[in-house]
Amino acid sequence: KAGVTQTPRYLIKTRGQQVTLSCSPISGHRSVSWYQQTPGQGLQFLFEYFSETQRNKGNFPGRFSGRQFSNSRSEMNVSTLELGDSALYLCASSLDPGDYNEQFFGPGTRLTVL
Amino acid sequence: ELKVEQNPLFLSMQEGKNYTIYCNYSTTSDRLYWYRQDPGKSLESLFVLLSNGAVKQEGRLMASLDTKARLSTLHITAAVHDLSATYFCAVDIEYSGGGADGLTFGKGTHLIIQP
Repeated sequence: KAGVTQTPRYLIKTRGQQVTLSCSPISGHRSVSWYQQTPGQGLQFLFEYFSETQRNKGNFPGRFSGRQFSNSRSEMNVSTLELGDSALYLCASSLDPGDYNEQFFGPGTRLTVL
Repeated sequence: ELKVEQNPLFLSMQEGKNYTIYCNYSTTSDRLYWYRQDPGKSLESLFVLLSNGAVKQEGRLMASLDTKARLSTLHITAAVHDLSATYFCAVDIEYSGGGADGLTFGKGTHLIIQP
């Protein structure tokens, strides 16, 4: 069974630009969550999507947004990039967090903002 | 606000020794997860603990959960170099109507096991 895949793996952008990251969950998994990992703040929850609906959102500004498609694939978008957005962005999928929330993580997209 | 604290944050130990990593959390929850992360890699799920008194073991690692104390431990027995990694605990809270909030992670324990 294929794991969670994320594209691209690496991105370099400049301040003010926008970026879109993509995530394909494990087949059959309906929930997709996004996390930001930085050396200073650690792992922080961005948002979670289930059945194309954003169910939960972490404490991030509105520049961070996402969506989920009918095949459970998800994208996240960051607009007006800032230097502090440089991070590893991890996508995770799970069957249905209502039961238990064991999340399986993808390899991540490393975003560098110059 | 749910807070998760791990200690120690850094641990250097010798092969063959035993040690325990502690994970405390601030809000009632009976859903705790342990993950491993190797440098430059993603997170690998190690254990899922879903009830008070839950204990799970895999090889030289054993995890337990005490929901009353809001404490989980990850015990390493007879450490080997291959266990060198960063270990994270994470907690979430199930909503009464179903679904769950995102995982709240501890800051991680950077474990170095020296020959």
